[in-house]
Amino acid sequence: DARVTQTPRDKVTEMGQEVTMRCQPILGHNTVFWYRQTMMQGLELLAYFRNRAPLDDSGMPKDRFSAEMPDATLATLKIQPSEPRDSAVYFCASGLGAGQETQYFGPGTRLLVL
Amino acid sequence: AQKITQTQPGMFVQEKEAVTLDCTYDTSDPSYGLFWYKQPSSGEMIFLIYQGSYDQQNATEGRYSLNFQKARKSANLVISASQLGDSAMYFCAMREYNTDKLIFGTGTRLQVFP
Repeated sequence: DARVTQTPRDKVTEMGQEVTMRCQPILGHNTVFWYRQTMMQGLELLAYFRNRAPLDDSGMPKDRFSAEMPDATLATLKIQPSEPRDSAVYFCASGLGAGQETQYFGPGTRLLVL
Repeated sequence: AQKITQTQPGMFVQEKEAVTLDCTYDTSDPSYGLFWYKQPSSGEMIFLIYQGSYDQQNATEGRYSLNFQKARKSANLVISASQLGDSAMYFCAMREYNTDKLIFGTGTRLQVFP
């Protein structure tokens, strides 16, 4: 049963610390997305990649957030330095892209910045 | 600008009854895709059903069907024979042609009671 995996599932950190979230997309999927979910803003797209190349990161605060795909099986989202307002659930999703519609979500990383 | 509207913050339904969750969308693009996702209390986002704007028939997946009314720009989710396990948040989302971005609605919380 192919699934998107994310680590860690939960993260509590102090303001100013670096946070790294990892995602393993479904094998064979070439498009990877990072979403953030908060009570106030709902689900927002932060960034996405196709074939490991960033296609759109317009939803991401550039000064503190960065997203990369070191290889086809790993996507990372980093926050440095973290702030309390970054507290949210961060989802990774993957898909086949290019007209194949469905995005499959991972279980999310619940981040709390104190 | 594209937009998804879910006007029902919460819905109640008795077990074994059918329920309709509303979703309207706004887009000027003739080609787009519509999705429904389920988010149970555990937090993961589960893909339920997809409808393409050019699909002639309403999409169905088991107990889920999508009542697609293009002229009204509505894409309501119908769940037949509700089960207690259907209690969750339900999100409607849209993808416009030539982009992989999903725009989500604010969600509807469904409660199924015995």
